[in-house]
Amino acid sequence: NAGVTQTPKFQVLKTGQSMTLQCAQDMNHEYMSWYRQDPGMGLRLIHYSVGAGITDQGEVPNGYNVSRSTTEDFPLRLLSAAPSQTSVYFCASSYSYLQYQETQYFGPGTRLLVL
Amino acid sequence: GDSVTQMEGPVTLSEEAFLTINCTYTATGYPSLFWYVQYPGEGLQLLLKATKADDKGSNKGFEATYRKETTSFHLEKGSVQVSDSAVYFCALSDTGANSKLTFGKGITLSVRP
Repeated sequence: NAGVTQTPKFQVLKTGQSMTLQCAQDMNHEYMSWYRQDPGMGLRLIHYSVGAGITDQGEVPNGYNVSRSTTEDFPLRLLSAAPSQTSVYFCASSYSYLQYQETQYFGPGTRLLVL
Repeated sequence: GDSVTQMEGPVTLSEEAFLTINCTYTATGYPSLFWYVQYPGEGLQLLLKATKADDKGSNKGFEATYRKETTSFHLEKGSVQVSDSAVYFCALSDTGANSKLTFGKGITLSVRP
């Protein structure tokens, strides 16, 4: 049981490039989400999904796209990278969308630097 | 909207010192409250939680009590260890469908031998 896995661990991009951050979980969790972590800002929700084929925007969705074609995978796409997207990105999952009763399981994070 | 306020950091303590990390919240409904911990180089993991007023969450010697009257969920530990050095996040999730998890800014704890 690998839990939540993320790739890559570290990435450097140039402004305007695109890339996909991968996230997978093997716990058959219904709910998956992406956060970004910035110094002094805590974690901010980018996008989330309550099940395969269903996604929705979080607090800071601009510049990011997501899709959920399977229960296991929830990739995050940066369409045209900007320096403001330099951050650490965490993927998380939980058994259901009822966050008030669930434990979130986090991946190890992807550190992204946009030059 | 919902929000979580944590005390400013960082916090540096000597081993075996008493720890208190303050957390207060604002919520419109009946939230559940959480403490997550992030050890260096890792993702966050749940430390403890409480789902209703007066509940006490506890784990690994840490405790926090859900105080509705003061809208607080302060984290305490009687004797910290070097291995407790980490970033601690207070979070809440309000009841209702598709509810989200709202995090505080986090506070870095360093424990010196």
